[in-house]
Amino acid sequence: GNSVTQMEGPVTLSEEAFLTINCTYTATGYPSLFWYVQYPGEGLQLLLKATKADDKGSNKGFEATYRKETTSFHLEKGSVQVSDSAVYFCALHSGGSNYKLTFGKGTLLTVNP
Amino acid sequence: NAGVTQTPKFQVLKTGQSMTLQCAQDMNHEYMSWYRQDPGMGLRLIHYSVGAGITDQGEVPNGYNVSRSTTEDFPLRLLSAAPSQTSVYFCASSRSLAGVGETQYFGPGTRLLVL
Repeated sequence: GNSVTQMEGPVTLSEEAFLTINCTYTATGYPSLFWYVQYPGEGLQLLLKATKADDKGSNKGFEATYRKETTSFHLEKGSVQVSDSAVYFCALHSGGSNYKLTFGKGTLLTVNP
Repeated sequence: NAGVTQTPKFQVLKTGQSMTLQCAQDMNHEYMSWYRQDPGMGLRLIHYSVGAGITDQGEVPNGYNVSRSTTEDFPLRLLSAAPSQTSVYFCASSRSLAGVGETQYFGPGTRLLVL
């Protein structure tokens, strides 16, 4: 079955540091890949996505590239801000009649001033 | 658009009590789902619906019932609450889930404590 593995947290960085959160996946076919973000006390919201190999999703300074050869979708940001403190979830959907979005366990990011 | 709304925001139940968590969306989405979020477990799918009158089980359906009488509403019923159902519950919707790269929209969550 499908699965998503993301790096264990928590991750603590200083403002303006470089961020990488690793995500690897196992799936049949050609899944769509997503990063969702959950700010404190809120629901999840889509951060970025990629739907085919070598696509790069980007939003709010965050980027992730769909790497089929390494089955990875690592999240990166060049300079984090305090407002980026949140839980980040990697997820995949394998499409078709599979009505399930598979999530990783989430990575808590704390950015200190 | 209000998006996806959930009520209540917080609820305390005693073991054995029943209750309904409400979820509504105003985006005319076909697909709706319920997840529970527990520490270290990520999000786990409880039940989902691909349209009015159609529901199916997710990963962890035991102890929960759903129905979908309208496109807008997708309530989740706890039949006899147990401490193991203490969790944060999220409702989500999307236009469909068969399309490539469909985005799911999440509600703000309901925090449930079962004593």
